[in-house]
Amino acid sequence: AQTVTQSQPEMSVQEAETVTLSCTYDTSESDYYLFWYKQPPSRQMILVIRQEAYKQQNATENRFSVNFQKAAKSFSLKISDSQLGDAAMYFCAYRSQFFGNEKLTFGTGTRLTIIP
Amino acid sequence: KAGVTQTPRYLIKTRGQQVTLSCSPISGHRSVSWYQQTPGQGLQFLFEYFSETQRNKGNFPGRFSGRQFSNSRSEMNVSTLELGDSALYLCASSAGQGISETQYFGPGTRLLVL
Repeated sequence: AQTVTQSQPEMSVQEAETVTLSCTYDTSESDYYLFWYKQPPSRQMILVIRQEAYKQQNATENRFSVNFQKAAKSFSLKISDSQLGDAAMYFCAYRSQFFGNEKLTFGTGTRLTIIP
Repeated sequence: KAGVTQTPRYLIKTRGQQVTLSCSPISGHRSVSWYQQTPGQGLQFLFEYFSETQRNKGNFPGRFSGRQFSNSRSEMNVSTLELGDSALYLCASSAGQGISETQYFGPGTRLLVL
């Protein structure tokens, strides 16, 4: 079974600064998908970014980028120019490559606080 | 396109009762997954439905069941409620027909069992 570990329960960053959230995972599969979701106080889970394991290029979405290290099974999220609206719980998630397996396995989350 | 909707948003029940939660996916999406979120256990996968068939199931007791209708709307039922069933129940939808799809989540139903 796959597992996802987020070792930082809480992080804080000054507004406009950069912060990196860590995620490691364990799997025996060679192809899979990784996601970062954001859950603000409203509790709505919002997709931040996704990465396909077969792609060597790290995914980027505006101020959000990932550092995907397949051999190390590491998938960190970098948030640049942090904004107050970035304050939320961030969850790293894994999805199997197999067709029909929609299950997401989540980490325990990192609570990000933005300091004005 | 409208997003994933869940009803009701909040629910209070007592032990031993049963409850039904509803989820309407994004138009065109045929896969609906359910997750339970609690402070102690985090986010856990309950089950997934595609074209009215349960395709995947998590490790939850048989008190947790679901179904999907021909319009892809899904319901989740919990019978004989226990205090530990208090949680945020999240529904997510995807097209369900490829391996590279993303799941989009609804706002959740917060269930409190007294």
